[in-house]
Amino acid sequence: DAGVIQSPRHEVTEMGQEVTLRCKPISGHDYLFWYRQTMMRGLELLIYFNNNVPIDDSGMPEDRFSAKMPNASFSTLKIQPSEPRDSAVYFCASSWMTGVLGYTFGSGTRLTVV
Amino acid sequence: TQLLEQSPQFLSIQEGENLTVYCNSSSVFSSLQWYRQEPGEGPVLLVTVVTGGEVKKLKRLTFQFGDARKDSSLHITAAQPGDTGLYLCAGGAGNNRKLIWGLGTSLAVNP
Repeated sequence: DAGVIQSPRHEVTEMGQEVTLRCKPISGHDYLFWYRQTMMRGLELLIYFNNNVPIDDSGMPEDRFSAKMPNASFSTLKIQPSEPRDSAVYFCASSWMTGVLGYTFGSGTRLTVV
Repeated sequence: TQLLEQSPQFLSIQEGENLTVYCNSSSVFSSLQWYRQEPGEGPVLLVTVVTGGEVKKLKRLTFQFGDARKDSSLHITAAQPGDTGLYLCAGGAGNNRKLIWGLGTSLAVNP
């Protein structure tokens, strides 16, 4: 298994531009999570899906952030318009519903908004 | 609000030394996980503990869940440079899939 695949690995964009981050979860996993990691705040859960349905988006900072999961093998996190304070590493993770909790994380997208 | 506090925040030791890092909370968790994160990568799950007092061993790593399921510790014996990384603990409550994360302990093992 190739694991959770995220793209791009690095993204540098100008303030005000739209940014789209992509994630392919592990096949068979029915939960997908989007996290943001910064030095100051650590890992913050933005949103998670179960069977492609958004369950909890209370961590999404504001309306500039949106996430979709059109099918079991693909999810996007979009920021429009982007701001410098959005600079962080964004992780996607997936897991099975059964058994003890345990996430498999992707390698992350390092976003820099200048 | 549930919080997980990890200590120490930073730790730099020599190869061969032993160390213990801690994960503490005032809340009860149904499970607690430990992850290791290397630079430029996502966290990787090391272990999950679910029973109060439970001890799990993974080679030179020993994980313990507190009797009251509010705290956990990670002990590394004879640390090696390959153990370098950010160690994160995360607590789960009930059937909620939202984990509560600590800020991590950044460990550097020097050759």
